[in-house]
Amino acid sequence: DAKTTQPTSMDCAEGRAANLPCNHSTISGNEYVYWYRQIHSQGPQYIIHGLKNNETNEMASLIITEDRKSSTLILPHATLRDTAVYYCIVRVGYGGSQGNLIFGKGTKLSVKP
Amino acid sequence: DTGVSQDPRHKITKRGQNVTFRCDPISEHNRLYWYRQTLGQGPEFLTYFQNEAQLEKSRLLSDRFSAERPKGSFSTLEIQRTEQGDSAMYLCASRYGTGDYNEQFFGPGTRLTVL
Repeated sequence: DAKTTQPTSMDCAEGRAANLPCNHSTISGNEYVYWYRQIHSQGPQYIIHGLKNNETNEMASLIITEDRKSSTLILPHATLRDTAVYYCIVRVGYGGSQGNLIFGKGTKLSVKP
Repeated sequence: DTGVSQDPRHKITKRGQNVTFRCDPISEHNRLYWYRQTLGQGPEFLTYFQNEAQLEKSRLLSDRFSAERPKGSFSTLEIQRTEQGDSAMYLCASRYGTGDYNEQFFGPGTRLTVL
């Protein structure tokens, strides 16, 4: 599976957009990009995923570059409750190891008042 | 609450003792995963069930670890002869189906401290 690279930490002002980058230069054609987050003392929470096209849901938007070697998770209006560790995961969506997730260290996002 | 539940939430034990954790997945989720997370690290995959069948085990799962999922419902993870290095958060996750929508629902975890 492709390896991902994320910044260790980022700060964001409350109410502003938070843009979290992820590099996955060795991604394969059948691998999806997943984003999860983990708020302190809780289990990880799914945010969004995509293959080629940009995706948006009620939580966030995912922008994937045309060559698929990097992506950006956008939280449009960050709140204090968005303070968490954000994980970018590249994984086949089917078959393989049946979908077990491979987490890196993620990006610790701190949203400040 | 219909989310994934885990019991106990915290466990303190002495080295050498056996411990067992329980995970109740979301009803009708056929896939169940166990992960382990140590301080400052992301979760690491331990093992995976599809219904009652244990289909994959990580090399992290030593012989002292055993997991079961009888009848394809709840799952248990047992650690025998615990060691201080087993201290970690043990997370359970479940999902339904086999498609690309790999949304796993995680429980709150069981924090194990081995003294």
